[in-house]
Amino acid sequence: DAKTTQPNSMESNEEEPVHLPCNHSTISGTDYIHWYRQLPSQGPEYVIHGLTSNVNNRMASLAIAEDRKSSTLILHRATLRDAAVYYCILRELMDSNYQLIWGAGTKLIIKP
Amino acid sequence: DTGVSQNPRHKITKRGQNVTFRCDPISEHNRLYWYRQTLGQGPEFLTYFQNEAQLEKSRLLSDRFSAERPKGSFSTLEIQRTEQGDSAMYLCASSPTAGERYGEPQHFGDGTRLSIL
Repeated sequence: DAKTTQPNSMESNEEEPVHLPCNHSTISGTDYIHWYRQLPSQGPEYVIHGLTSNVNNRMASLAIAEDRKSSTLILHRATLRDAAVYYCILRELMDSNYQLIWGAGTKLIIKP
Repeated sequence: DTGVSQNPRHKITKRGQNVTFRCDPISEHNRLYWYRQTLGQGPEFLTYFQNEAQLEKSRLLSDRFSAERPKGSFSTLEIQRTEQGDSAMYLCASSPTAGERYGEPQHFGDGTRLSIL
């Protein structure tokens, strides 16, 4: 079962920052935190991942709490093309192999 | 690099028929994954390959499901004697092995949508 908890949906206005929260209170020391997004009728798309430190890339920023029990994906300036389901995932060691175990994600709605 | 390619994009078939889906991963990627996704849910892991070796198949949904990657390049997922409950999106992803320890991301195709009549 997925070990992350996310809100079912969030709304934001276009051109404003968006903060998508994720709780992962049972995270272990070696679990990476991954974020993917999925646009309608497409496969998931990698957004960002991290272990302990905050991470930035061209798509987003990932803020990881000091105790690593929660993280926040930050879209600095949302556009209509950012409307998607955003998944926060822990990469878990299962049967000696690392796997991504997905929850239901957060549906992000962008209002023009 | 054209990304991960899946064919067909859509498949409609009658209950009881066999279906086969194909996945062409990114060429230099050693690992290939299959997932199933039903409406409103995240992807559900089914199986994965390291080159031609199938390293995890215990999560295939039943013995009607099988996957192959005979030459370590493309892969096929077959469902025999399809049932209504098999209707879903079947996703393929690939990743390089080298960065696995550091959380190397998976690259997904756009999936094959299966509809069972």
